[in-house]
Amino acid sequence: GENVEQHPSTLSVQEGDSAVIKCTYSDSASNYFPWYKQELGKRPQLIIDIRSNVGEKKDQRIAVTLNKTAKHFSLHITETQPEDSAVYFCALRDDYKLSFGAGTTVTVRA
Amino acid sequence: GAVVSQHPSWVICKSGTSVKIECRSLDFQATTMFWYRQFPKKSLMLMATSNEGSKATYEQGVEKDKFLINHASLTLSTLTVTSAHPEDSSFYICSANRWGQGNTEAFFGQGTRLTVV
Repeated sequence: GENVEQHPSTLSVQEGDSAVIKCTYSDSASNYFPWYKQELGKRPQLIIDIRSNVGEKKDQRIAVTLNKTAKHFSLHITETQPEDSAVYFCALRDDYKLSFGAGTTVTVRA
Repeated sequence: GAVVSQHPSWVICKSGTSVKIECRSLDFQATTMFWYRQFPKKSLMLMATSNEGSKATYEQGVEKDKFLINHASLTLSTLTVTSAHPEDSSFYICSANRWGQGNTEAFFGQGTRLTVV
């Protein structure tokens, strides 16, 4: 599948601060870029997604930006809370299949 | 929202036995479902694409005789781990795509924790 690089692999932030996770890809044909949150032992939950005709999308404290020219997209979480602690995966769709980044373990310190 | 149900949530089996995992789309029809494997603290690795009424498409390196996939109806796909060994122990997750308003969204089952002893 499509190679998606995700950074950082771990991220520790103070409660109230922002968290940013970045992903890069190589296949310019990709047009759908979702972000998932996964808690231990649970299914991935879609938290936000963006399509290639949009540069930015926001949903309350979560935002995603997409730069198709540079082939990277980022997740921004503002005013982090302890319940934001989880593993976050970026993904992109390639021919109806999802390719996932390696994941970022986010820890929000109270 | 759309619901995908996976059963069982966890299973323990003896080496050499086979285990079947079910993935159901409860409120929509899914001609295509996907099976992933996830190791601890790792990402989801696509194993195969399950196609209703035809053979599954396996990713490179996945043994089709080891991981049998059947997609006999528009709402059910099954993954059978045959002759299980301890190294098959993992978290298996299915997903199904639902079309809506010109877009496709993936919905995941709750996952199955397989432990082979």
